[in-house]
Amino acid sequence: GEDVEQSLFLSVREGDSSVINCTYTDSSSTYLYWYKQEPGAGLQLLTYIFSNMDMKQDQRLTVLLNKKDKHLSLRIADTQTGDSAIYFCAGCGHGGATNKLIFGTGTLLAVQP
Amino acid sequence: ETGVTQTPRHLVMGMTNKKSLKCEQHLGHNAMYWYKQSAKKPLELMFVYNFKEQTENNSVPSRFSPECPNSSHLFLHLHTLQPEDSALYLCASSQELGNTPLHFGNGTRLTVT
Repeated sequence: GEDVEQSLFLSVREGDSSVINCTYTDSSSTYLYWYKQEPGAGLQLLTYIFSNMDMKQDQRLTVLLNKKDKHLSLRIADTQTGDSAIYFCAGCGHGGATNKLIFGTGTLLAVQP
Repeated sequence: ETGVTQTPRHLVMGMTNKKSLKCEQHLGHNAMYWYKQSAKKPLELMFVYNFKEQTENNSVPSRFSPECPNSSHLFLHLHTLQPEDSALYLCASSQELGNTPLHFGNGTRLTVT
C-alpha cells in the first residue's frame, strides 16, 4: 500500500523560504495534497497537485512534483510566524479513492522571528 | 470558519461513561469520515460513510460506535473507553469518495481518565 514519509522538523527565520519535503511510494496517486494543522485545530487543505503536473503555484506556495523520484515538496516564500504549524502531505493510491488517502507523519515548521 | 463543525471541542470522560461526539458539515458533501490523531502516530482512518451508508470500518473496537443519520451529520458514540483512546478525533467530509479533497473539522480533544 501507499507509504508517505516526511522529515519531522524544520526551523527557518521569518522572511526566509521554507521547503518541506515528502516522499511517497504509490505512483498511482492521482492527486497529492498538502494540509496545514495549527495548534488546537484540524487539518486545513492548503493546496493540491494533479499527478500529471510538475509544478503548481498559489501565492506564496509552490508545489513541486517529481514523479520519477516520487518526491513532493512545498515551498513557502517569505515565511511568516503565522506559518508555524504542522504540515502534512497526503497521497491517494487505489485509483484516487479518498477513503484510501494516506497521510505522512507531518513536518513541524517553526518560524523564528 | 470551517465548513465542518465538531462538538464538543474538549471532552474528559471516565472509563465507565457514555458520551457522543458530533460532527456537522455545511458543504453539501456526500462522504463523511472519522479519524483518530494520536501523538507521534500517523492519522488513522476509523470509519467512512458515503450517502449515509458505512463503507469502511478499519478494525475499530466496538466501544466506538458511529452513526450517520443523514449526509450532513455524523456521530461517534463512545462507551467503556480505555486511557489509550485519549486522542484528537477529527471529522472530515468530501464531495465524493474519489479524487476529491478532505475538509476537516477542528476536532474533539478526548481525555479518558
